[in-house]
Amino acid sequence: GDQVEQSPSALSLHEGTGSALRCNFTTTMRAVQWFQQNSRGSLINLFYLASGTKENGRLKSTFNSKESYSTLHIRDAQLEDSGTYFCAASDPNSNNRIFFGDGTQLVVKP
Amino acid sequence: GPKVLQIPSHQIIDMGQMVTLNCDPVSNHLYFYWYKQILGQQMEFLVNFYNGKVMEKSKLFKDQFSVERPDGSYFTLKIQPTALEDSAVYFCASSFTRGSDYTFGSGTRLLVI
Repeated sequence: GDQVEQSPSALSLHEGTGSALRCNFTTTMRAVQWFQQNSRGSLINLFYLASGTKENGRLKSTFNSKESYSTLHIRDAQLEDSGTYFCAASDPNSNNRIFFGDGTQLVVKP
Repeated sequence: GPKVLQIPSHQIIDMGQMVTLNCDPVSNHLYFYWYKQILGQQMEFLVNFYNGKVMEKSKLFKDQFSVERPDGSYFTLKIQPTALEDSAVYFCASSFTRGSDYTFGSGTRLLVI
């Protein structure tokens, strides 16, 4: 989307390795969510952050509202981590409607 | 955690017919949304709904689309008549407030033939 620039668009990792996804925002966002869309198409809520950093298992996410970006770090990637990852940020100037990034297609290989 | 349920998970319908997609939001959530996704690509906002009214809608929310939540039951998206380009996955979401986190359903895969 225009308000959210997500990168990379595609990522390939070998099992056990890690990487980071990033979303840059063109305006100050109130909060960010990260989702994983699995092979069945379901959107799984990974994180919701209004600020700071959260960690859950092999995933860690940071939201820096002042510098208008958020990251999602994946470490020790597993095959089941494959899928499309979306960030979505709520824009206080648009009644807090959330705007999605275009997604990162992650493939984890053995 | 709390879930949004969508019924049906799949629907095939003839072009020109009417279809209703059903969503059971998280029980204490007050804001409801529909999003459209084509071929696993971008999530496109359609509409949000609060207190019995459409609060905001996008250009994708055509005149053939309507939403309602009669008497606190399912939050529905109705398309009448359907067109081939309506084929997509439709996701329902709900949130407690405008700024709080969204919970998404698993989507309804609609195929218009």
